[in-house]
Amino acid sequence: DAKTTQPPSMDCAEGRAANLPCNHSTISGNEYVYWYRQIHSQGPQYIIHGLKNNETNEMASLIITEDRKSSTLILPHATLRDTAVYYCIVLFGYGNKLVFGAGTILRVKS
Amino acid sequence: GAGVSQTPSNKVTEKGKYVELRCDPISGHTALYWYRQSLGQGPEFLIYFQGTGAADDSGLPNDRFFAVRPEGSVSTLKIQRTERGDSAVYLCASSRSGNDEQFFGPGTRLTVL
Repeated sequence: DAKTTQPPSMDCAEGRAANLPCNHSTISGNEYVYWYRQIHSQGPQYIIHGLKNNETNEMASLIITEDRKSSTLILPHATLRDTAVYYCIVLFGYGNKLVFGAGTILRVKS
Repeated sequence: GAGVSQTPSNKVTEKGKYVELRCDPISGHTALYWYRQSLGQGPEFLIYFQGTGAADDSGLPNDRFFAVRPEGSVSTLKIQRTERGDSAVYLCASSRSGNDEQFFGPGTRLTVL
């Protein structure tokens, strides 16, 4: 599975959009981009995933560049409860084992 | 509906002892995963079950670690001769099949003294 690179931390003002970047320059054509997050003292939570088209669900939007070498997770109106570690993961197929990196610590501040 | 549950939530044991950690997946989920997470790091894959069989156990660190899922539902992670380095949060996840999003439990915090 391709490796990902994420900034170690980011701050966001409450109510503003949080844009979390992820680089995955070695991604191959059949690998998906997944995002999970982990709120302190909880298990990880699935957010969204995509292959090459942009995706949106009730939690977030995922924007994947045309060359698929990077992506951005967008939380449109961040709240204090969105403070968490966000993990960008690239893997073949839908499921199977997740390989977590260090992730991005997102701090939403009032 | 009920999510993934793990028991106990906390386990303190002494070096050299045997421990069992239990995972109850979401009903009907055929795939079950175990991960462990050390402080300040992301979760690390241990083993993946599809039904009753271990489809991928490449993440088990050594032969002190073993997991079972005899009826394709509840799973038990077993650690023999525990070492201080085994201290971590052990996470369980399940999915409808091997091709769906994974739902995680709250984890079991294992402390080996």
